[in-house]
Amino acid sequence: ETGVTQSPTHLIKTRGQQVTLRCSSQSGHNTVSWYQQALGQGPQFIFQYYREEENGRGNFPPRFSGLQFPNYSSELNVNALELDDSALYLCASSRWGGSSTDTQYFGPGTRLTVL
Amino acid sequence: RKEVEQDPGPFNVPEGATVAFNCTYSNSASQSFFWYRQDCRKEPKLLMSVYSSGNEDGRFTAQLNRASQYISLLIRDSKLSDSATYLCVVNRGGSYIPTFGRGTSLIVHP
Repeated sequence: ETGVTQSPTHLIKTRGQQVTLRCSSQSGHNTVSWYQQALGQGPQFIFQYYREEENGRGNFPPRFSGLQFPNYSSELNVNALELDDSALYLCASSRWGGSSTDTQYFGPGTRLTVL
Repeated sequence: RKEVEQDPGPFNVPEGATVAFNCTYSNSASQSFFWYRQDCRKEPKLLMSVYSSGNEDGRFTAQLNRASQYISLLIRDSKLSDSATYLCVVNRGGSYIPTFGRGTSLIVHP
């Protein structure tokens, strides 16, 4: 096990609602990245947080937002849910050493279904 | 053209076979490369990093070809437990924007 935890494991929402997903990083890790994985696709990078600030963002609209807390845990918020937001949401933690080669450790994911 | 492309497969091979996957990337500024393994309905797990000189870990060998912009993964003596989806990851230089391929499915049968 990686030590990265996510909650909840499953979630069902309806279109237009808002959702908050949570992630606790592995001990000693200071960076959290969030990914969206649709069925049959690879994970798509949403954003990364380092020292409570966004450190990189993929091609996702502003209704996807995040936070990182002083204990390095993180939240992903999605507003105005759309049907296409149905996916597995993964968070990954790493220890940022200033390099893109840092190894990421993934949590088990939150499976979001939007009806 | 997608930034990172993989043949989704599935690659269906018998136990003991050797199988190879390629992953092509379009951004020549890419700096770091990885292979991850993802079992059905589980999270991705790092299999190995890919170094310029190539690297080997037991039955697994990874290679990088910068001139042709692809990375490869070779699995020798396939085991039933190797059945999974193999994801390649390419990181751009400068900012941290990792890009995953859609994955290649491997099924090893008895």
